[in-house]
Amino acid sequence: DVKVTQSSRYLVKRTGEKVFLECVQDMDHENMFWYRQDPGLGLRLIYFSYDVKMKEKGDIPEGYSVSREKKERFSLILESASTNQTSMYLCASSFGRGYQPQHFGDGTRLSIL
Amino acid sequence: AQKVTQAQTEISVVEKEDVTLDCVYETRDTTYYLFWYKQPPSGELVFLIRRNSFDEQNEISGRYSWNFQKSTSSFNFTITASQVVDSAVYFCALTNFGNEKLTFGTGTRLTIIP
Repeated sequence: DVKVTQSSRYLVKRTGEKVFLECVQDMDHENMFWYRQDPGLGLRLIYFSYDVKMKEKGDIPEGYSVSREKKERFSLILESASTNQTSMYLCASSFGRGYQPQHFGDGTRLSIL
Repeated sequence: AQKVTQAQTEISVVEKEDVTLDCVYETRDTTYYLFWYKQPPSGELVFLIRRNSFDEQNEISGRYSWNFQKSTSSFNFTITASQVVDSAVYFCALTNFGNEKLTFGTGTRLTIIP
């Protein structure tokens, strides 16, 4: 079974801090994704990566950056956290082309105070 | 542009009742894929099914069934004889061939009352 592991289930940070969310997958998947999930808005794509050191913006990239130095690891960075970035963050990975299902981690509930 | 609409925000049914979750999609592509995911209270989205645009056969898996109708751009999900463990948020999603990105609906929160 595919395992996607997010480093924290719950995280509390302060406004202005630089925040790192880490995600690791163990199935050699090419594609990795970061979403945020907010009530009534579903899942919105922040960034995705289809290869090491490659990244593409999703629908809501503002205020975020990503890093993928190794195939199994995809990091989401909040450069200067703000209260409107309080949300549930979900990482996913998938193999090959888009018609392959994405596999998700358990999510990180991030609160910015 | 692609769009997925799940008009039912929340549904509650009594255990053992059947329930249908609606999904309507919009796309200009002729080759596309539809997905359903389940998100239990634990938070992890679990893949349930994928359908491609050329296969309109309905699918049944145990108590779960899916009805794909291109004529109405719908991909509805029915749970028969619902159980408390079916309580979750269910998401419908869409992608087109060659696109790694999924477009998700806003989800339907299903509560099964014992």
